[in-house]
Amino acid sequence: EAGVAQSPRYKIIEKRQSVAFWCNPISGHATLYWYQQILGQGPKLLIQFQNNGVVDDSQLPKDRFSAERLKGVDSTLKIQPAKLEDSAVYLCASSLVSSGGYEQYFGPGTRLTVT
Amino acid sequence: GENVEQHPSTLSVQEGDSAVIKCTYSDSASNYFPWYKQELGKRPQLIIDIRSNVGEKKDQRIAVTLNKTAKHFSLHITETQPEDSAVYFCAAQFGNEKLTFGTGTRLTIIP
Repeated sequence: EAGVAQSPRYKIIEKRQSVAFWCNPISGHATLYWYQQILGQGPKLLIQFQNNGVVDDSQLPKDRFSAERLKGVDSTLKIQPAKLEDSAVYLCASSLVSSGGYEQYFGPGTRLTVT
Repeated sequence: GENVEQHPSTLSVQEGDSAVIKCTYSDSASNYFPWYKQELGKRPQLIIDIRSNVGEKKDQRIAVTLNKTAKHFSLHITETQPEDSAVYFCAAQFGNEKLTFGTGTRLTIIP
């Protein structure tokens, strides 16, 4: 089966600019996650979708970050405006369901550098 | 919320020796504990997981043990090989709440 797809793979922007990331989960996976992984740290959940509804966005900086999954398949994550501390790898993951015990499959990530 | 601590942050072992990575969690209700391996520049991949109703699970050279009373779980890799070199992350989850990751252990296998 095809894995989780993400684009772009790399992005360099200046602070205060905007950026958007795209994710296509594994076909049939109802749950989609966006994680932020800062260098040297573990992934931190930003937002979790179940189909097209938000399950958890408690750690999403909502003043600058937004995400949507309008048709319950693809998702986009946007940052506007970007700050230096947003430099990180943004990982998208998907799983069949959100209950514990179902493997989360990660995409290759988007490496964002904010200068 | 859940907090997961992971030790050590770096670990070097001679090829063929064993490696052990330990994690502790704070939420006694957590019931799912996966381990992910992340090679440099690549995505995290699940290598083994354990549920709270099991004390130990093995898969070839990899094993995970869980002590619910002490709220800690460990990853054991035996007969280490150069391809085991990577960053390993533990994680903990309760029900359908978010997966909380540890800070990672960079494992280096010395040939």
